[in-house]
Amino acid sequence: GAGVSQSPSNKVTEKGKDVELRCDPISGHTALYWYRQSLGQGLEFLIYFQGNSAPDKSGLPSDRFSAERTGGSVSTLTIQRTQQEDSAVYLCASSRFGGRFTNIQYFGAGTRLSVL
Amino acid sequence: AQTVTQSQPEMSVQEAETVTLSCTYDTSESDYYLFWYKQPPSRQMILVIRQEAYKQQNATENRFSVNFQKAAKSFSLKISDSQLGDAAMYFCAYRASQGGSEKLVFGKGTKLTVNP
Repeated sequence: GAGVSQSPSNKVTEKGKDVELRCDPISGHTALYWYRQSLGQGLEFLIYFQGNSAPDKSGLPSDRFSAERTGGSVSTLTIQRTQQEDSAVYLCASSRFGGRFTNIQYFGAGTRLSVL
Repeated sequence: AQTVTQSQPEMSVQEAETVTLSCTYDTSESDYYLFWYKQPPSRQMILVIRQEAYKQQNATENRFSVNFQKAAKSFSLKISDSQLGDAAMYFCAYRASQGGSEKLVFGKGTKLTVNP
């Protein structure tokens, strides 16, 4: 696609429910990132995928959070047993490796998660 | 750990005037990348300008330029001839050039208002 696509745009859920957030990166981009943006914490790194390498999960805040990337393309961020403090905007980004635009991360419009 | 500080939570500028947004960072690395991203109300982060630390020349992109002071670990953004469309949150970000993870470390952001 032309840009990074995230769905849904907004998600409202009840405390304790599981949610899945989807990210479709720019075609040909080998790297994919998830970030969380909240009022209190600003923008935080969550997880990074690069090709077939093991993902960098160092930013995941708890074991309720997990992410996978299937076929080196689409990624799903799953939050189990959601808590009110999980309410935030979840941003996905992708980047290509090599060439003039290497290292530039292109972002989607994010998913706003509200946990009631 | 690397940190990025934006000391101005809010700034305002008159249309057609010039404004400078401040950013300082802390790192022990000698090679890295610095970025300014713009986030309008649509939530999508848009790259404004990028600077490679090994380049002494300040990056410029049309009305946007940076003042990169490596020794002082300072990376300010100057917006010339400000336009109403420049109103947004601006985030300064750091990325290490080596060491595996390519995560961005963000500052807390500066909200820019452009007055007509």
